[in-house]
Amino acid sequence: DQQVKQNSPSLSVQEGRISILNCDYTNSMFDYFLWYKKYPAEGPTFLISISSIKDKNEDGRFTVFLNKSAKHLSLHIVPSQPGDSAVYFCAAEDSNYQLIWGAGTKLIIKP
Amino acid sequence: KAGVTQTPRYLIKTRGQQVTLSCSPISGHRSVSWYQQTPGQGLQFLFEYFSETQRNKGNFPGRFSGRQFSNSRSEMNVSTLELGDSALYLCASSPQQHEQYFGPGTRLTVT
Repeated sequence: DQQVKQNSPSLSVQEGRISILNCDYTNSMFDYFLWYKKYPAEGPTFLISISSIKDKNEDGRFTVFLNKSAKHLSLHIVPSQPGDSAVYFCAAEDSNYQLIWGAGTKLIIKP
Repeated sequence: KAGVTQTPRYLIKTRGQQVTLSCSPISGHRSVSWYQQTPGQGLQFLFEYFSETQRNKGNFPGRFSGRQFSNSRSEMNVSTLELGDSALYLCASSPQQHEQYFGPGTRLTVT
């Protein structure tokens, strides 16, 4: 069973607009969440994280929101830039410090 | 600090052969995780080593094995290679928990 789900395989957004990537999880014991960005043929790069004691964390153009009651987190990118085109993975840390990964969402920024 | 390094970057092997991949973590990081990524797939977790002990293991057959040395460097071995083992193999290091920092990966092609 997939404990971390990214239900949108791809997302297309106009340059300059807001990109919203979503992630759902099933295990209420997860207490730390991360977003990674991946370009083809490269390793994923850490973007931003959030602890379950918070509901928002912001870093420049990137903001992550956590809704624990809904077991849902989202990544907002404002404004979207061409270099943001990549695959975005969300991950949750379990009690054994293992990261449980979503399947990824391919973000395409249109000029 | 130098990042995570993986060697070799590219490898071509024949079915039935075995292969060893190497990963050098960021200095001071004690945890090393290995992942497999195939086209269109997310990150499939193989195993994680922490202080020379396997701390977590994914759902891969016993042909996939690993180890970690006292200097935290890690190796992954795949025996009796199959065509389906062709993938990008990623190594990630972490201080102990939370963020993982990925290497560039080893692209393995099995013919």
